[in-house]
Amino acid sequence: DVKVTQSSRYLVKRTGEKVFLECVQDMDHENMFWYRQDPGLGLRLIYFSYDVKMKEKGDIPEGYSVSREKKERFSLILESASTNQTSMYLCASSFTGGENTIYFGEGSWLTVV
Amino acid sequence: SQQGEEDPQALSIQEGENATMNCSYKTSINNLQWYRQNSGRGLVHLILIRSNEREKHSGRLRVTLDTSKKSSSLLITASRAADTASYFCATTREAAGNKLTFGGGTRVLVKP
Repeated sequence: DVKVTQSSRYLVKRTGEKVFLECVQDMDHENMFWYRQDPGLGLRLIYFSYDVKMKEKGDIPEGYSVSREKKERFSLILESASTNQTSMYLCASSFTGGENTIYFGEGSWLTVV
Repeated sequence: SQQGEEDPQALSIQEGENATMNCSYKTSINNLQWYRQNSGRGLVHLILIRSNEREKHSGRLRVTLDTSKKSSSLLITASRAADTASYFCATTREAAGNKLTFGGGTRVLVKP
């Protein structure tokens, strides 16, 4: 089975801190994604990557950056966390080609105080 | 604005009843997928329907797609308490590469 693992399930950080959310997938998927999920707003795409060292902005990239140094790992970085970044963050991955089914991690709940 | 919009936003039914939820989208798509999310967890893929398909079944799930109306429906037959979850439609648009765009979801409560 495909496994997408997010390193932290629950985090509490202070405003202004630098935050790293790590994600690893074990199925050699080319594509990886970071979404955030907020009540009433559904899932919104922050960034995605279709290859190592490649990244593209999603719908809400402001305040975030990403890193993909290895194929299996995709990191989301909050350079200076703010309270409006309190949310659930979901990592996902998929194969290029095929039918674009994506596989999600269990989510990381981030609270910025 | 979101590509997919689910309707209703919330649904409460008794065990054994059928649950139907709808998804509308705005632009041409390659395929449409439905995902399920248990409370506080990640999303799990349920079923995919291609743009040239009209209906698809998987177990107790039935999905329809009407590209002329830009809408899809998900039917869960003979619902169980374990079907309690949020259900999301997601579209892959022709012009958007591998990006999936999700709707806001339908929260389904199945009462035992």
